[in-house]
Amino acid sequence: DAGVTQSPTHLIKTRGQHVTLRCSPISGHKSVSWYQQVLGQGPQFIFQYYEKEERGRGNFPDRFSARQFPNYSSELNVNALLLGDSALYLCASSFVMKSGRASGELFFGEGSRLTVL
Amino acid sequence: GENVEQHPSTLSVQEGDSAVIKCTYSDSASNYFPWYKQELGKRPQLIIDIRSNVGEKKDQRIAVTLNKTAKHFSLHITETQPEDSAVYFCAASTKLSFGAGTTVTVRA
Repeated sequence: DAGVTQSPTHLIKTRGQHVTLRCSPISGHKSVSWYQQVLGQGPQFIFQYYEKEERGRGNFPDRFSARQFPNYSSELNVNALLLGDSALYLCASSFVMKSGRASGELFFGEGSRLTVL
Repeated sequence: GENVEQHPSTLSVQEGDSAVIKCTYSDSASNYFPWYKQELGKRPQLIIDIRSNVGEKKDQRIAVTLNKTAKHFSLHITETQPEDSAVYFCAASTKLSFGAGTTVTVRA
């Protein structure tokens, strides 16, 4: 059974460009979350999506946006890239119980390492 | 939002000794506290978690304790082995605010 898959694994962009990162959750998981991990720090919460709706947003500027598709895959978009956006972007999926409550455990993908020059 | 602080930032232990990492959180409504292990260049993976209705949970050499009154929780690793060397992150709440991480080095 495939885990969370992310693409691309690595990419290099220049300042001002935009980037789209993609994530496919584990089969059966309807919730997807995005995290930014700067080298030497813990993952920082960016977005959570469940049933194609944004359920939470971290302290990130409007340059960051995301969406979730009917098949529960997700995209993270970052516009007007800055040097400080260089980081590992992690996608995580989780199972949502019938009650609508998240099970809690996040399953992470390998991440997309973005370098902004 | 939730604010999670983690200490220490680095921890070096002799193989066979115990390692303890501590975290505090700010949101008293947080009810889920996982610990993730991240090896160099790899994804974070859940090693143990605890919910607010229990005070302690153990899984072989790993245990987690939770003090809801004081809003802190700790990871305990006993009989450390070289393969325990990694970065460990604590987190709190359903949207998971992570601590800054603890780099654990187990000396052979």
